Amino acid sequence: DGGITQSPKYLFRKEGQNVTLSCEQNLNHDAMYWYRQDPGQGLRLIYYSQIVNDFQKGDIAEGYSVSREKKESFPLTVTSAQKNPTAFYLCASIGTRADISYNEQFFGPGTRLTVL
Amino acid sequence: AQTVTQSQPEMSVQEAETVTLSCTYDTSESDYYLFWYKQPPSRQMILVIRQEAYKQQNATENRFSVNFQKAAKSFSLKISDSQLGDAAMYFCAYRSEGAQKLVFGQGTRLTINP
Repeated sequence: DGGITQSPKYLFRKEGQNVTLSCEQNLNHDAMYWYRQDPGQGLRLIYYSQIVNDFQKGDIAEGYSVSREKKESFPLTVTSAQKNPTAFYLCASIGTRADISYNEQFFGPGTRLTVL
Repeated sequence: AQTVTQSQPEMSVQEAETVTLSCTYDTSESDYYLFWYKQPPSRQMILVIRQEAYKQQNATENRFSVNFQKAAKSFSLKISDSQLGDAAMYFCAYRSEGAQKLVFGQGTRLTINP
C-alpha cells in the first residue's frame, strides 16, 4: 500500500535536546511538507521541499531544520532553539501535475512531541 | 497573503440531520483550489471534498457537498444524513494555482448527537 509513514507516534524530549521526526513516503511524490498543529488550531507550515536537495521555510520555521537527501524521506529536526515545541506534527506530500492526484495533499498519521 | 477563516469553533447536530460548516477566504487570485479535510480522533487528515475555482458547479461526494460562492469568497460544507462517524475536526483549506502550499482555517469541531 502506498502512503506516508511517520515515526515515532509519540516522542518525549527533555529541554535542551534536539529530536528528529521521521517522515517517509512511497507515493513517488516530489513535494513534501511539515506542519505543526496546536490544540484547537489549524495547521501551520514549518518547512516544505519541492525537490531533492532543496527546501523552503514555511510560516514558522524558527527552531526547526530539515533535510531532503532522498525523494522518499523528509526528516524534521526540532532543535533546542524552538521555545515551545510541544505539539502534534504532521508530514504531507503532493503529487506532480501529471498525477491524477495532483490536487490532493496526502498526510501521514502524525507524531505527538512532548517536552518534559 | 491568503487567509482562511472558519467562524464556527464548534458545531453539533442530531444524527441523520443536515449540518453546514462555514468557511470564508481572502485572496486576490482568480485560479485556486479549495478543500475540506476531516480529522477524526485518530488525528489522520482525510480529504473530504475539493473544488476548483474555475468550476461553477458545486462539488459533491456522496453525503458531502459544498456551496461555493466565488464572488463572496465563501466555501461551506454541507453534510447530509449525519452519521456518528462524521464526528471530527473539519478544516477548510486554500491553495493557489501553481502554488505548493495549503493555507488552513482554524477548524470546526463537529459533534454528532445520537
